[in-house]
Amino acid sequence: AQTVTQSQPEMSVQEAETVTLSCTYDTSESNYYLFWYKQPPSRQMILVIRQEAYKQQNATENRFSVNFQKAAKSFSLKISDSQLGDTAMYFCAYVSSNTGKLIFGQGTTLQVKP
Amino acid sequence: DTGVSQDPRHKITKRGQNVTFRCDPISEHNRLYWYRQTLGQGPEFLTYFQNEAQLEKSRLLSDRFSAERPKGSFSTLEIQRTEQGDSAMYLCASSLSLGREYEQYFGPGTRLTVT
Repeated sequence: AQTVTQSQPEMSVQEAETVTLSCTYDTSESNYYLFWYKQPPSRQMILVIRQEAYKQQNATENRFSVNFQKAAKSFSLKISDSQLGDTAMYFCAYVSSNTGKLIFGQGTTLQVKP
Repeated sequence: DTGVSQDPRHKITKRGQNVTFRCDPISEHNRLYWYRQTLGQGPEFLTYFQNEAQLEKSRLLSDRFSAERPKGSFSTLEIQRTEQGDSAMYLCASSLSLGREYEQYFGPGTRLTVT
């Protein structure tokens, strides 16, 4: 069975600085997708960035980028120029090409400090 | 393009009562998913539909839970004989089935409290 692990329950960063959130996963499949979702306090889940396993190039969306290491089964999220609005819980998630369901990690609570 | 909507946003019920939640997906999305999220945890998959067909159910979905998507548009999730352990946020998500089918977009959730 596929699993997703986020080993950092809480992190904090100063505004305008860079922070990296870690995620590892376990799977025997070769074709899958990885995502980072953001869930602000009392607000809905927002898709931040996605990575296809067959692509070697790391995905980037504005201030958000990933470091995808397929052999190591690692998928970290880097947030550059952190903003107060980045304060949220961040979830790493996996979906295989065979099923539609997302498998989430436990989440990392990120606090951006002014 | 409106997002995924869920109704109600909050529901308080007494143990043993039945509750029903509704989810309206993004209009062109034919896949619809239900997840359950407890406080401080990641969402857990419950079930999903492609059009009106229910394609997968988690073992978390006991026989007290039933989901339907009768016309391939909105979906309902019913919990019968609620228990305190059912207290959670119930999330709905939708996606396309071709192209960017693995990108799921979430609604605001229905927070259930069983007293």
